[in-house]
Amino acid sequence: GAGVSQSPSNKVTEKGKDVELRCDPISGHTALYWYRQRLGQGLEFLIYFQGNSAPDKSGLPSDRFSAERTGESVSTLTIQRTQQEDSAVYLCASSVEVTNLFFGPGTRLTVL
Amino acid sequence: AQSVSQHNHHVILSEAASLELGCNYSYGGTVNLFWYVQYPGQHLQLLLKYFSGDPLVKGIKGFEAEFIKSKFSFNLRKPSVQWSDTAEYFCAVIRLGSNDYKLSFGAGTTVTVRA
Repeated sequence: GAGVSQSPSNKVTEKGKDVELRCDPISGHTALYWYRQRLGQGLEFLIYFQGNSAPDKSGLPSDRFSAERTGESVSTLTIQRTQQEDSAVYLCASSVEVTNLFFGPGTRLTVL
Repeated sequence: AQSVSQHNHHVILSEAASLELGCNYSYGGTVNLFWYVQYPGQHLQLLLKYFSGDPLVKGIKGFEAEFIKSKFSFNLRKPSVQWSDTAEYFCAVIRLGSNDYKLSFGAGTTVTVRA
């Protein structure tokens, strides 16, 4: 596709429910990142995928968060038993090289 | 850990005023530096970047930024803003020469330009 796409664009869920966020990177981009942006704060790194290497999960805030990537394509970020502090915009980015990230539009998650 | 500080949370300007947004980072090694912009309702997009060479870099839409190594700073400037520059601006840094490939972002500065 022309750019990074994410779905859904908005998600409202109840506390305790699981959610799944999807990212479709730009074709041919081997690297994929997930960031989180909470209100009034900067982008917080969550997880990084590069090709077939083991992902860097060092930014995941708790074991309720997990992410998968199928080859060099779609990635899903799953949040289990959502909490109100999980409310944020979740941004996906892909790149060929680390110094040129292309961001998606984000998924705005609201946990009631 | 790498940290990026943006000095202003919200800046309000009139059209034709000059803009300068501060950015400082904490890492003393070699870095690549970026400014990203997010216009209302749009994706984050790259405004400009510094890798090496001339410390004054020019980006899109008349923006420029100056890397001052001794001050660990990478301030963004525009001599005369337009209403369309209303957006959120993020400074970002990546360390070189390490296995750290994560962009570290500042908290962002919201710029509102009044017509």
